[in-house]
Amino acid sequence: EVQLVESGGGLAQPGGSLRLSCVASGFTFSSYSMNWVRQAPGMGLEWVSYITASSGIIYYADSVRGRFTISRDNAKNSLYLQMDSLRVEDTAVYYCAREVWGSGSSWGQGTLVTVSS
Amino acid sequence: DIVLTQTPLSSPVTLGQPASISCRSSQSLLHSDGNTYLSWLHQRPGQPPRLLIYKISNRFSGVPDRFSGSGAGTDFTLNISRVEAEDVGIYYCMQATQSPRTFGGGTKVEIK
Repeated sequence: EVQLVESGGGLAQPGGSLRLSCVASGFTFSSYSMNWVRQAPGMGLEWVSYITASSGIIYYADSVRGRFTISRDNAKNSLYLQMDSLRVEDTAVYYCAREVWGSGSSWGQGTLVTVSS
Repeated sequence: DIVLTQTPLSSPVTLGQPASISCRSSQSLLHSDGNTYLSWLHQRPGQPPRLLIYKISNRFSGVPDRFSGSGAGTDFTLNISRVEAEDVGIYYCMQATQSPRTFGGGTKVEIK
């Protein structure tokens, strides 16, 4: 069974940092591109970042480019999102999602990030 | 950025009746590789999204055949042939033809 488990969320101050992790199991992690998608409270879905299986191609949403960094460690079946210079508007549930044909085929339960002073 | 506009915003439906959701793109979603990366996802309250349809009309593994997708270019449709109680929630279209990837605003399906 495919499983994705996010962690690392919590409360951060504006300007602060958090590092999210997503541990994968039940599939060959090193063969799949991955995404981070977020959802602000009561709002719709917003794509954040994408990384190919080999980390050779990386994309970011304009809203996070220059502040967030996606990475992965295939030996540890793990995906990461380093979030720096956090803003109040970054408050959201962050999901990792396995890529298939331009969409998320499997999703974690998400981790809540709250940015507030 | 590509803007995806979903209609209607809300769709009250009767159990057993059909439902249809439209997703209109501000630009053609036909990729240079010949594929159209338009997908549909469903999200129940308190749950992560679930993939229903990818590349316009391909049902993902385990998705009931009452769900179907169609369209081309800039206009796409998700159809539910007979709505069941478990189909309530919010439906999103998503494009991955061009970066940044974008989602539609969502359509809430509820039972009358």
